[in-house]
Amino acid sequence: QQQVKQSPQSLIVQKGGIPIINCAYENTAFDYFPWYQQFPGKGPALLIAIRPDVSEKKEGRFTISFNKSAKQFSLHIMDSQPGDSATYFCAASNQGGSEKLVFGKGTKLTVNP
Amino acid sequence: GAVVSQHPSWVICKSGTSVKIECRSLDFQATTMFWYRQFPKQSLMLMATSNEGSKATYEQGVEKDKFLINHASLTLSTLTVTSAHPEDSSFYICSASGRASSYNEQFFGPGTRLTVL
Repeated sequence: QQQVKQSPQSLIVQKGGIPIINCAYENTAFDYFPWYQQFPGKGPALLIAIRPDVSEKKEGRFTISFNKSAKQFSLHIMDSQPGDSATYFCAASNQGGSEKLVFGKGTKLTVNP
Repeated sequence: GAVVSQHPSWVICKSGTSVKIECRSLDFQATTMFWYRQFPKQSLMLMATSNEGSKATYEQGVEKDKFLINHASLTLSTLTVTSAHPEDSSFYICSASGRASSYNEQFFGPGTRLTVL
């Protein structure tokens, strides 16, 4: 019940494409859903996060869609660039994010020029 | 804002020695700090959670006597890997949450690459 299932494991798109990464959770107590971007040899960086009271959040080229009834959320990257090539992790936690994060297994995104 | 630093960024040590890794929140007070380890091409695995001034809470399967965590102030937590062995070689990452924003996000450090020979 604590798991967050992330798919796909890897994703290759052309520059300008819109990669979509999906995550699903079971624990209905989760109330904070962040996405992290990680480059090789670096720590994860918070990209964008959403709470269950909204169905969509957009920051720049990154959009989270949230479906509370299906217990699913996804990350869309608009106009993807080669510099977006990285590993993306979804996560979930409860109590406003101050509790520990449960991470998905990650998606390695490659954006070809 | 919300910057977390780690030191050192990489360390190589001999088997049997101890290694200390520092994690600092530079521009906010971290009421809670988390320590993770990450193996190549894998996700982050939470090792322990620490709150300032209290003992760390370790995840199941993590040896508390081997991975000593101290959270002495609102801006500093340390992880000491005692009697390190080659299987302890990994990427260690800390994160901090606190009063950086109204949402208590976790902000991650850049990680420390530990290689035990």
